[in-house]
Parts: sequence; C-alpha cells; structure tokens
Amino acid sequence: SQQGEEDPQALSIQEGENATMNCSYKTSINNLQWYRQNSGRGLVHLILIRSNEREKHSGRLRVTLDTSKKSSSLLITASRAADTASYFCATDNQAGTALIFGKGTTLSVSS
Amino acid sequence: NAGVMQNPRHLVRRRGQEARLRCSPMKGHSHVYWYRQLPEEGLKFMVYLQKENIIDESGMPKERFSAEFPKEGPSILRIQQVVRGDSAAYFCASSPPSRDRGSEQFFGPGTRLTVL
Repeated sequence: SQQGEEDPQALSIQEGENATMNCSYKTSINNLQWYRQNSGRGLVHLILIRSNEREKHSGRLRVTLDTSKKSSSLLITASRAADTASYFCATDNQAGTALIFGKGTTLSVSS
Repeated sequence: NAGVMQNPRHLVRRRGQEARLRCSPMKGHSHVYWYRQLPEEGLKFMVYLQKENIIDESGMPKERFSAEFPKEGPSILRIQQVVRGDSAAYFCASSPPSRDRGSEQFFGPGTRLTVL
C-alpha cells in the first residue's frame, strides 16, 4: 500500500513564484526523501531529512518534517521553467530494504 | 564516475516472449534495487539484492519474474512469458554499503518495456 501521498497531484505556476508540495505518510519513519523525475527520465535525489530534523535547506529547496502529523513539505522558491517535473516523496519500509514512493506531484512552471 | 547504467533503454516484446533488463550499479555500490513504474504512477518496489543474494523480494510477482545479481556482471531482471500488463518503466537503483536504513538511492535512466 502507499506510504507517502503527495498533494496536490498537479501544480501550475509562473516562473519566479514559489511552489509548495506536501506529503503525508502512515507509519513511523527513520527519514524521508524527496526525488525529482523529469519526463521520461530516471529519478534524481533532491534531499533527505531525518526523523529528528524539522527543517532542511538545499539551494532553492526547503523541506520541513512534522512527525507528529506524519507530513512533510517541499518548497521550491523562485521557480524556473527547468523545475518542471514530477516530485515524489519516499520513505523507507519497515525493514529498511526499500523506498516506498507516493504518486507524485506534477509541477509545471511556465515562463 | 559513471552513474547507474541500464540497458536496453527501450525494449519491445511480443506476448509470450522473455524480457531481460540489465543494471550496472555505480562503482563501489553493492546494493541494487529494482522498481516498476506504471504510467501516471509512482515507483513500486520489486526486489532488493546484494552480490549473489536476494535480500527482499516482497514486491516481486510470484510468477514469471526473477532477479539476480551475480558476483561478476550486472544485475538482471528477467520477465518470462510477458503479458501486456508488464508494459512499464523499470528502474534500477543502487546504494553503497551503509549502516543507515533507508539511505539515498541512485537511480538509472530506466528501461521502458512495451509488450505488443
């Protein structure tokens, strides 16, 4: 079954605007990761946040984690057309042997 | 440092044929994972292997699918007697030996399987 569920499913914004995507999960986690997938390509790792961290930054990316609400958000600031992609959150399964992905948020940034 | 390599990138098979998908992990990585992605869906875990060992195959269909990661050479995902429902993108990922559970995985470009 799905562990992570992203929302919204699709998001369209203009260049320069901020994009916020949310992820909810069901069971306790060790960490949560965000990946990006450009159309027809493989996944690129963006950021990993551990369960004892509340916020993490990487360039224009900001990730928050609220373990009490079992949710995470990914904020992309000053978006660019090149940010157009699908974004997935992923958590580790109970055994720590695999990542469990949500269905993703499709972000479209128009210039 | 080359990333995860997968080949072929595109594979077309007729129903009943066999499909063999190959994955070479990043240099120094001894853990390999296979995922399947259906259109408009997220990735679904299939199997996790280390050299010569299957560690977790809980996501693999019980029939027709098998995976191996031999001592020498790439990891192979094999699908026998393919059916149209097997059409999907198959991604391989690798990670270094790590004490941390759920560490970052590095993904290959995927193999897109089309079953006619």
